[in-house]
Amino acid sequence: KAGVTQTPRYLIKTRGQQVTLSCSPISGHRSVSWYQQTPGQGLQFLFEYFSETQRNKGNFPGRFSGRQFSNSRSEMNVSTLELGDSALYLCASREFDYNEQFFGPGTRLTVL
Amino acid sequence: QKEVEQNSGPLSVPEGAIASLNCTYSDRGSQSFFWYRQYSGKSPELIMSIYSNGDKEDGRFTAQLNKASQYVSLLIRDSQPSDSATYLCAVLTGGGNKLTFGTGTQLKVEL
Repeated sequence: KAGVTQTPRYLIKTRGQQVTLSCSPISGHRSVSWYQQTPGQGLQFLFEYFSETQRNKGNFPGRFSGRQFSNSRSEMNVSTLELGDSALYLCASREFDYNEQFFGPGTRLTVL
Repeated sequence: QKEVEQNSGPLSVPEGAIASLNCTYSDRGSQSFFWYRQYSGKSPELIMSIYSNGDKEDGRFTAQLNKASQYVSLLIRDSQPSDSATYLCAVLTGGGNKLTFGTGTQLKVEL
C-alpha cells in the first residue's frame, strides 16, 4: 500500500496570510490526525478526524482548523499566520479499529 | 510534570552494543504505547507498539512495559550506525486517539 502523502512538502508564507495543507491517508484508513512539530515544543497533537467529523482537538487557537472529506482525505488550514507557526506539520492515518498511527512526510511551513 | 518524559540524550553507544531508551508517563489510565524513530529531516516512523505488561520483541528491538511503574523502554540489540536517530516515546491519551509524545532521545551509534 502507498503511504500517507502530504502536499505541499514545503511552503513559505508571510505573517497574516493563510495556508491550507493537504493529507491523503493510507488506503483503507479512515482516521486522520494532524500534529505540529517544532524544536521548542516537540510534537503536539492538533486534531483528529474520522468520517468527516472532528473527534478530538488539541490545545491550539481557533486559527487552526481542519476538515475531512468523504474519501478520507483531510486538509488543515491556518489563518492569520504568525512567525511561531513555522513548523513541520505532520499528518498520520490509522485504521479505525487499530491504534497504530502512520505518519506522512510532513509539510515544512516557514512564516516570514 | 510532563505527560511523557524522556532523557534528551544524546545517548552514545558503540556499534554492536545494546542501546536502552527509557520513557515515563503520567496518565495511569493509558493503555497504548508506541516507539517512533525519526531521522533528521524526516517524519516519525513507527517501530514498536506495546499494550500489555512485559516484553515484546521484533527483530533487534524489544519494547518493555511496566504499567505499575508507568514506565516504557526500548532496547536495541546489536546497535548499528543506521540506528542513529531520535527515538520518540508516544502514549495514547485523552480517551481518543491523541498521541502524546515525549521530547525524544537522540541515539548515536559510534563505529
